[in-house]
Amino acid sequence: RKEVEQDPGPFNVPEGATVAFNCTYSNSASQSFFWYRQDCRKEPKLLMSVYSSGNEDGRFTAQLNRASQYISLLIRDSKLSDSATYLCVVNPMNTGFQKLVFGTGTRLLVSP
Amino acid sequence: GAVVSQHPSRVICKSGTSVKIECRSLDFQATTMFWYRQFPKQSLMLMATSNEGSKATYEQGVEKDKFLINHASLTLSTLTVTSAHPEDSSFYICSARRVEGVYNEQFFGPGTRLTVL
Repeated sequence: RKEVEQDPGPFNVPEGATVAFNCTYSNSASQSFFWYRQDCRKEPKLLMSVYSSGNEDGRFTAQLNRASQYISLLIRDSKLSDSATYLCVVNPMNTGFQKLVFGTGTRLLVSP
Repeated sequence: GAVVSQHPSRVICKSGTSVKIECRSLDFQATTMFWYRQFPKQSLMLMATSNEGSKATYEQGVEKDKFLINHASLTLSTLTVTSAHPEDSSFYICSARRVEGVYNEQFFGPGTRLTVL
């Protein structure tokens, strides 16, 4: 089983739609969770950290369910510029921001 | 956010040659840098953790004699792919860890696309 699993997509949605991505992780001792965004042939960029209580940043909402080892990202009112690959990332160790384990990513295509 | 640069951004080389990739943190000091590799349609895979002034820690399955890492200063880590082969063709990305008190985050370089002919 992969350490971090994501549905690869692609998710094709129209502008303005709400879309949700899910991710599961295998290491129950994992402490830190993140969503990164990666544009084609570019480096990943941190979108948001994921906290146990859930957190929101504008149109983006992240949730963590430790019992189910499940992380989600919700994007509301999708924009064309949201088209990218969204990477679920887990730090499996309680050592701060050290090793990161990346999922394969979920590709989002937002169309006019 | 902080800036991390990589050089070169793209390199094409012949099989058997060695290629050096540089990773620099431009506006902060990084005692820890990381090297990743990403094959098409796959996730980033951590190759090694580079610690300033000490030996790198390699992930399982990564040959340390093939992928030489040097972290000689707080702002520079280098990855040398020795005797490159076509199967080494990939997107190599470094990241640098910035720590300020309780704040800590990794910043990624723009990546180096290596093509071995």
